[in-house]
Amino acid sequence: DSGVTQTPKHLITATGQRVTLRCSPRSGDLSVYWYQQSLDQGLQFLIQYYNGEERAKGNILERFSAQQFPDLHSELNLSSLELGDSALYFCASSPIRTGPGGITEAFFGQGTRLTVV
Amino acid sequence: AQTVTQSQPEMSVQEAETVTLSCTYDTSESDYYLFWYKQPPSRQMILVIRQEAYKQQNATENRFSVNFQKAAKSFSLKISDSQLGDAAMYFCAYRSDNAGGTSYGKLTFGQGTILTVHP
Repeated sequence: DSGVTQTPKHLITATGQRVTLRCSPRSGDLSVYWYQQSLDQGLQFLIQYYNGEERAKGNILERFSAQQFPDLHSELNLSSLELGDSALYFCASSPIRTGPGGITEAFFGQGTRLTVV
Repeated sequence: AQTVTQSQPEMSVQEAETVTLSCTYDTSESDYYLFWYKQPPSRQMILVIRQEAYKQQNATENRFSVNFQKAAKSFSLKISDSQLGDAAMYFCAYRSDNAGGTSYGKLTFGQGTILTVHP
């Protein structure tokens, strides 16, 4: 168990709809990352939040948005869904950089499998 | 921008044998971290091993070891005494250590290598 919790685990929805994916990071981790894993694009970084503020953006569509709340949980909102948005969406968290020898890796949740029909 | 390339879409190994998965990367940074993640059929992303670029010594975790060649920008994973439970997709990943950069913290992944272990 990585300590990162994602809900729901599975989601089936129709094209044009909007969904919200939720992530609770490991206790004490301030950074949250969202990744999309699809068959044709592999694992792609979407967006990073650090202590409530957007830190970095990757290949995230304008139809997608995210936020991190004061309790550090994060939500990824996907709207106007298309068939091509079907993918596994991962949330990961990592602690504050603790210097040489400290924790540097990201801990991943189990993912949310989104199917758009 | 950093890129990570895994040139082996699929690899196979006999149980108890040794297999090496290849990874190359491209970066202009000097401080970074490299990782191998394992993704079994459950889809969970599991950290296998990490390497700090400032360390010359290759990382080792039990049956897993890496061959880190910084000048060649190569980072291969060796799995010794392969077990059936090692069957999974393996991803090589890069993370910048440039705290002032916009890519700090995020992981850049290779396309993955599917490892099959034959009994």
